[in-house]
Amino acid sequence: GQQVMQIPQYQHVQEGEDFTTYCNSSTTLSNIQWYKQRPGGHPVFLIQLVKSGEVKKQKRLTFQFGEAKKNSSLHITATQTTDVGTYFCAGPEKGYSTLTFGKGTMLLVSP
Amino acid sequence: DVKVTQSSRYLVKRTGEKVFLECVQDMDHENMFWYRQDPGLGLRLIYFSYDVKMKEKGDIPEGYSVSREKKERFSLILESASTNQTSMYLCASSLLDGSGSLFFGSGTQLSVL
Repeated sequence: GQQVMQIPQYQHVQEGEDFTTYCNSSTTLSNIQWYKQRPGGHPVFLIQLVKSGEVKKQKRLTFQFGEAKKNSSLHITATQTTDVGTYFCAGPEKGYSTLTFGKGTMLLVSP
Repeated sequence: DVKVTQSSRYLVKRTGEKVFLECVQDMDHENMFWYRQDPGLGLRLIYFSYDVKMKEKGDIPEGYSVSREKKERFSLILESASTNQTSMYLCASSLLDGSGSLFFGSGTQLSVL
């Protein structure tokens, strides 16, 4: 079945440093979604990318979808302590209304 | 504000008990899902439903069953709870179109002793 891999599993940065997490799928995706889960919270939808090579920004967050629609990245510029959490990417299973999630990247930001 | 509500935030049960986890959504979504989340394993799909009385197995359905009698309600049943079912259980919903995002409930932390 489809596999979605994320790296790194964990990253600890100083506040103000940049952060990037990468997502790779074993299959071509029709779209990719990103979610954020704060400690003790539940995953919350951040964004969906659909087009090959698409780039979207949300304030300090930049999301990219690869040309081949098999990989994606999330880049945070100048991290803040409010960015702490686990970031998941997810892609739809072909023919199903379900998503396959990556295992997530846990981000810790020290002040 | 859209909502997915799970009946319990924390639950402690004994081995062998029958356990019901309830989930209600107010968004008129067709799809509903049950995931479990364990450290290092990410989110794993247990069951999902795309319509009333319809259910489909996910990646790890063993030891679980589900019920969807009404569109807004999706229940997860542990027929005979075991210690390896101690986990965080997350319910989610989405529109029928598979490209839609998931809305998650706050989760139920289940401990089976």
